[in-house]
Amino acid sequence: DVKVTQSSRYLVKRTGEKVFLECVQDMDHENMFWYRQDPGLGLRLIYFSYDVKMKEKGDIPEGYSVSREKKERFSLILESASTNQTSMYLCASRTLSGGTDTQYFGPGTRLTVL
Amino acid sequence: EDQVTQSPEALRLQEGESSSLNCSYTVSGLRGLFWYRQDPGKGPEFLFTLYSAGEEKEKERLKATLTKKESFLHITAPKPEDSATYLCAVQAGGRADSWGKLQFGAGTQVVVTP
Repeated sequence: DVKVTQSSRYLVKRTGEKVFLECVQDMDHENMFWYRQDPGLGLRLIYFSYDVKMKEKGDIPEGYSVSREKKERFSLILESASTNQTSMYLCASRTLSGGTDTQYFGPGTRLTVL
Repeated sequence: EDQVTQSPEALRLQEGESSSLNCSYTVSGLRGLFWYRQDPGKGPEFLFTLYSAGEEKEKERLKATLTKKESFLHITAPKPEDSATYLCAVQAGGRADSWGKLQFGAGTQVVVTP
């Protein structure tokens, strides 16, 4: 079974803190994604990576950066957390195995910024 | 601009009462349409990927169908354990930088009562 894990289920940080969210997948997938999910807005893509050290902006990259130094690990960084970044953060990795395009999601990190 | 609209927003069913969820989309060159199930506080769980009009896929009490403008998720004789939010997403094929980017709908929250 594909496994995508995220470093924390719940996180509480203060405004202005630097926040690291980490995602690890165990299936050698090339493409990885970070989304945030908010009530009424659905899932929105923040950043994605299609290979080690390669990254592309998604639809809402402002206030975020990412790092992918190893294939299995994709980190989301909030340089200076703000209250409007309180959200559920979801990581996903993509496979084209067996001719079916699939994105597998991690359990999510619920981040609260006070 | 790519757009995904799911209806209804919420659906309350009696156990055994079959129903359908709708996902209508406008996208430049559909590469794939995805259905996910999401339980409260958890990451989305992959259900189906559909690629072309006329395609159908089934899994237990769920059946997904695709036309050129919309997809339906049919729930046959639902049970309480089918209660969840069902998410639809599309992947556009017209852009060279797609890399598997998904555009999500807001979801349909389904509650099945005994």
